[in-house]
Amino acid sequence: KQEVTQIPAALSVPEGENLVLNCSFTDSAIYNLQWFRQDPGKGLTSLLLIQSSQREQTSGRLNASLDKSSGRSTLYIAASQPGDSATYLCAVVTGANSKLTFGKGITLSVRP
Amino acid sequence: DAGVIQSPRHEVTEMGQEVTLRCKPISGHNSLFWYRQTMMRGLELLIYFNNNVPIDDSGMPEDRFSAKMPNASFSTLKIQPSEPRDSAVYFCASSLWPGPSGNTIYFGEGSWLTVV
Repeated sequence: KQEVTQIPAALSVPEGENLVLNCSFTDSAIYNLQWFRQDPGKGLTSLLLIQSSQREQTSGRLNASLDKSSGRSTLYIAASQPGDSATYLCAVVTGANSKLTFGKGITLSVRP
Repeated sequence: DAGVIQSPRHEVTEMGQEVTLRCKPISGHNSLFWYRQTMMRGLELLIYFNNNVPIDDSGMPEDRFSAKMPNASFSTLKIQPSEPRDSAVYFCASSLWPGPSGNTIYFGEGSWLTVV
């Protein structure tokens, strides 16, 4: 059974700092990995999707990397801003039925 | 497109009552997912449909939960009878059939259920 872990559960950084959010998964036979953002009281918004054959994806100040063999992914946020404060979740698709398995998320607070 | 639309946004109900949550997926999407989110357990997949057919309902907690998708533009998740432990945020999401290559999944803003 696939398990996705995100540690720490919460993170607080000063504005402008570059930061890395970590995600690990137990079954390396994934089809893809996605990073989502969730604001309080809202649904999830997809940020980046990395196919199993890819190593990284970039969107603006965000860069996600994938190392399938070690079961790890990182989300790099450059020059963090208070507007980046949210919960970030990673999820993997494993198996033919393409179910998404989510981590519990990292709640990020960027202090002005 | 308006995105995935869920109703009601908030519901408070008494234990034992029937609860029906509704979802309208994004037009053109052929996969629909129901998730439940709690602080303790995070996001759990309850059931998902492809082309209106339930593909995997192994996440449905018990017989009190049922889901239907009568057509491509509407789905319901019903809890009968409801219990306090069902209190959670229920998300509906849709996508094009993911398949091995995977496609972006779009979430609604959730239905916040409180059972007292």
